[in-house]
Amino acid sequence: GAGVSQSPSNKVTEKGKDVELRCDPISGHTALYWYRQSLGQGLEFLIYFQGNSAPDKSGLPSDRFSAERTGGSVSTLTIQRTQQEDSAVYLCASSSPSGGPYGELFFGEGSRLTVL
Amino acid sequence: AQSVTQPDIHITVSEGASLELRCNYSYGATPYLFWYVQSPGQGLQLLLKYFSGDTLVQGIKGFEAEFKRSQSSFNLRKPSVHWSDAAEYFCAVAGNAGKSTFGDGTTLTVKP
Repeated sequence: GAGVSQSPSNKVTEKGKDVELRCDPISGHTALYWYRQSLGQGLEFLIYFQGNSAPDKSGLPSDRFSAERTGGSVSTLTIQRTQQEDSAVYLCASSSPSGGPYGELFFGEGSRLTVL
Repeated sequence: AQSVTQPDIHITVSEGASLELRCNYSYGATPYLFWYVQSPGQGLQLLLKYFSGDTLVQGIKGFEAEFKRSQSSFNLRKPSVHWSDAAEYFCAVAGNAGKSTFGDGTTLTVKP
């Protein structure tokens, strides 16, 4: 597709289970971001991948959160031993190298995670 | 550290009225500023951006924003609001190798 694709769009899980959220960025976009949007809140930065550089993991809230990006394209955000406070919408965004380091972010529609 | 403040959590305007959404930022160097809009159940879409040059920037859907360095502000404006403009609006500042920091958003309600 032409845009950023995220799956699943909705995920309901039980406390303590692990979840994986997938992001497929726009083809050719070298930068990929994960943000978390809790109810009524702004966007909380989680992690940033840029090409083959080491990712910026400074926003990950705990060691239960991890992310990887395979082949410079698809990314997976994994949350282990989920807690109720992890319930949120997880947004993925990508940007083009032609836009420079401060280029426009293209967002997916998000994955809504509900932890019961 | 960079930060963004959107003082208004919720704004209601009548259709056809003018709109101004406030955004204040904190950043040590020249900021790269953005406004995004999020319609219900959708991802964020870029409205406009400021990198340098003319401090009044034009965006899509008839929106504009003015960068005021002395006030550390980047307020979003529209002369006449349409019902379809009802959404949540986010201001963002980019720095640190491209990592964008977002405000908490302003929800716009449009009265008929």
